Amino acid sequence: GESVGLHLPTLSVQEGDNSIINCAYSNSASDYFIWYKQESGKGPQFIIDIRSNMDKRQGQRVTVLLNKTVKHLSLQIAATQPGDSAVYFCAENRGLTNAGGTSYGKLTFGQGTILTVHP
Amino acid sequence: SAVISQKPSRDICQRGTSLTIQCQVDSQVTMMFWYRQQPGQSLTLIATANQGSEATYESGFVIDKFPISRPNLTFSTLTVSNMSPEDSSIYLCSADTEAFFGQGTRLTVV
Repeated sequence: GESVGLHLPTLSVQEGDNSIINCAYSNSASDYFIWYKQESGKGPQFIIDIRSNMDKRQGQRVTVLLNKTVKHLSLQIAATQPGDSAVYFCAENRGLTNAGGTSYGKLTFGQGTILTVHP
Repeated sequence: SAVISQKPSRDICQRGTSLTIQCQVDSQVTMMFWYRQQPGQSLTLIATANQGSEATYESGFVIDKFPISRPNLTFSTLTVSNMSPEDSSIYLCSADTEAFFGQGTRLTVV
């Protein structure tokens, strides 16, 4: 069935290093992908998103890359800080749209990667 | 962006009882979604809550166990019925206009 999965369940980096978190997806019809950060005891926090008609999108210290050929998604965090330590999830939108033409809610989530940043 | 609020934020419940979780959005939305996050795991969609019609449940989730209400365009409830320790999870709601979640409800069943 459709699934979104991650290659590495844990990632440890030193403060200041760049981090790369990977995600594979199986539904080639997916048109929207989101990265979330979840800190302990909190709900998932939106980081960045990308549509399938793009292959790269940059935010503040973060970049998401989308390779549709191999159905691969990655999140790059520059100059990783201890505050970046959290679980990171990729999510895939199943293409459900509302009257406004955009829908974010019906998501399939990946396994999650635990990022630990050592000072 | 919309603000999504959930109540309660956490609860400890006896097995066999039921808990109703409330989700409030500060603007009108077409669809609301309920997810479950079991300990140490990712999020799984339970159902889509539609105003004016029955909720649409994902495979593995049934209305008798997780009845959902959607009385208007800003509010929804999820009930976890006849709870067992396996229902201990974080329950989260979201809305279709936002890629954001509420803080979630951390449920522990003892």
